[in-house]
Amino acid sequence: GEQVEQRPPHLSVREGDSAVITCTYTDPNSYYFFWYKQEPGASLQLLMKVFSSTEINEGQGFTVLLNKKDKRLSLNLTAAHPGDSAAYFCAVPHGSSGNKLIFGIGTLLSVKP
Amino acid sequence: EAAVTQSPRNKVAVTGGKVTLSCNQTNNHNNMYWYRQDTGHGLRLIHYSYGAGSTEKGDIPDGYKASRPSQENFSLILELATPSQTSVYFCASGEPGLGGREQYFGPGTRLTVL
Repeated sequence: GEQVEQRPPHLSVREGDSAVITCTYTDPNSYYFFWYKQEPGASLQLLMKVFSSTEINEGQGFTVLLNKKDKRLSLNLTAAHPGDSAAYFCAVPHGSSGNKLIFGIGTLLSVKP
Repeated sequence: EAAVTQSPRNKVAVTGGKVTLSCNQTNNHNNMYWYRQDTGHGLRLIHYSYGAGSTEKGDIPDGYKASRPSQENFSLILELATPSQTSVYFCASGEPGLGGREQYFGPGTRLTVL
């Protein structure tokens, strides 16, 4: 079945630095990919939904890159600020109907002033 | 106006006791899910449902049952709770769709089994 590997598990950067989180997946037939953000003690919030035909997706302060050849999804925070400190999870559909998501192990990002 | 709510938010149970975690969604989504979150494991799927009356086993169903009596409600039942079930449990809802669809999460329930 689908497997998702997410790295790094922990990431510490200074305010204004960039931060990159990467997930690799195995199922080449995934149409959608998702990034979730979880602030300390809170639930998971959908950060971005990525469609497989779009290689670059931009949000507020971040970019998601999809490399289908290498089956790699990356979240790039361009100029991190302390409010970005959170856990980030990638999620990839799996199962015959795609109704289930398999989540990466998560990356705990700490942005220091 | 939260679309996915969970109760209780915190629960302390004794080993061998029965625990029921409840989830309600107002998204009118067909699919609902129960996950547990543990350090080092991310989110793992316990049970899910395609609609009222249906429940399906997820990746780690042992020791858990689920019930979906209506479109809005989905419960997770621990008949004989064990300390290894101490965790944070999240409920989610989502629409079905080929190729995958996003899920929307509730606030979580922190369960401690003593």
